[in-house]
Amino acid sequence: QLVQSGAEVKKPGESLKISCKGSGYSFATFWLGWVRQMPGKGLEWMGSIYPGDSDTTYSPSFQGQVTISADKSISTAYLQWNSLKASDTAVYYCARRTATGSLDPWGQGTLVTVSS
Amino acid sequence: FMLTQSHSVSESPGKTVTISCTRSSGNIAKNYVQWYQQRPGSVPTTVIYDDDQRPSGVPDRFSGSIDSSSNSASLTISGLRTEDEADYYCQSADTSTVVFGGGTKLTVL
Repeated sequence: QLVQSGAEVKKPGESLKISCKGSGYSFATFWLGWVRQMPGKGLEWMGSIYPGDSDTTYSPSFQGQVTISADKSISTAYLQWNSLKASDTAVYYCARRTATGSLDPWGQGTLVTVSS
Repeated sequence: FMLTQSHSVSESPGKTVTISCTRSSGNIAKNYVQWYQQRPGSVPTTVIYDDDQRPSGVPDRFSGSIDSSSNSASLTISGLRTEDEADYYCQSADTSTVVFGGGTKLTVL
């Protein structure tokens, strides 16, 4: 399963790092991705990481906007912002990518609210 | 590539509905297609994976298929129930990225 860190309320310009801890499988050998869902909107793929060697890919829309990292020693992946904007307000899900490209399981989601 | 879904569909309980997902470029059969159900305030759950496979616990009222002639995938739900009312997303992936469709809101009325 994947267990994410709790909801966050931040101000514009602040930094943030949320986490996703895996258990029950070989964390280092599966790609782990992040999905954004803005209020009332659809699912957007942000990017992913291979914890075994920290190889990372980003969707073009999110390249340079966030940083994905992982610590395989504690089976945890992270999504980080250096300077949050109000438009970063969303629920963020982590999900394991299987060998055939499906996403399973999903984390429970982390609500990030950015407001002055 | 992109995946395009109709924005919304509505049908009556007991009826059958089909939600489609069209791939913009490249053969739909090149990469597996998944379908996720998301009820309000909940985490997406898989109803179909690998084009036409049902996870355990998903009723056989849910079925998936792909059609190379229209370059699209379809999710069919038969015997509609009110609890099927949700957003449904198709998803596929190539070696470098994952792509979601925009989602289809299913209303069962």
